[in-house]
Amino acid sequence: ETGVTQTPRHLVMGMTNKKSLKCEQHLGHNAMYWYKQSAKKPLELMFVYNFKEQTENNSVPSRFSPECPNSSHLFLHLHTLQPEDSALYLCASSQPGTSGGGTQYFGPGTRLLVL
Amino acid sequence: QQQVKQSPQSLIVQKGGISIINCAYENTAFDYFPWYQQFPGKGPALLIAIRPDVSEKKEGRFTISFNKSAKQFSLHIMDSQPGDSATYFCAASSQTGANNLFFGTGTRLTVIP
Repeated sequence: ETGVTQTPRHLVMGMTNKKSLKCEQHLGHNAMYWYKQSAKKPLELMFVYNFKEQTENNSVPSRFSPECPNSSHLFLHLHTLQPEDSALYLCASSQPGTSGGGTQYFGPGTRLLVL
Repeated sequence: QQQVKQSPQSLIVQKGGISIINCAYENTAFDYFPWYQQFPGKGPALLIAIRPDVSEKKEGRFTISFNKSAKQFSLHIMDSQPGDSATYFCAASSQTGANNLFFGTGTRLTVIP
């Protein structure tokens, strides 16, 4: 596969469930991102990892827990979510320090519904 | 505080017409301004980008116009086609920062055949 892949593509979970979203990038990038996309809102940056180190946590509630075991994989662990957490969760990657600076490549997203 | 403001929220254009989407920013440290295109069920994809050392960049039917003094930039889609129907996001970032992108709220474009 090429580019940025995300699994699952769709997820329905109850408020007491624990689930994980997975992202994999095949672009050789060293920065990975999680975004939340809700209707009629700007994309909300949640977490940033540079060279496997978390460099940004954008005031995200602790019920979202990221994990970056290597520069190609990124996970978002979910537990005790709220219905307002229902959204499209997008993963992206980029190569820090390149002339493209800021060019991020997105996966297709995971559509999450919390009941 | 929203770093990048985008308008309009939605736009309907006849096939062959010109689609224009506008964005404004406040942070003068921003030095990279990409536009992303998103189709339903897909993630955003980079469409075209500009740096503030030029006032215009053109790629095919897509043109970015950049006004540094006004802190505004816009996307023009010439000869709009039904296949251009998508949501468009402007964004801005600073290379001196962490390459984090600040996105506008998006414009849903519908091109009518």
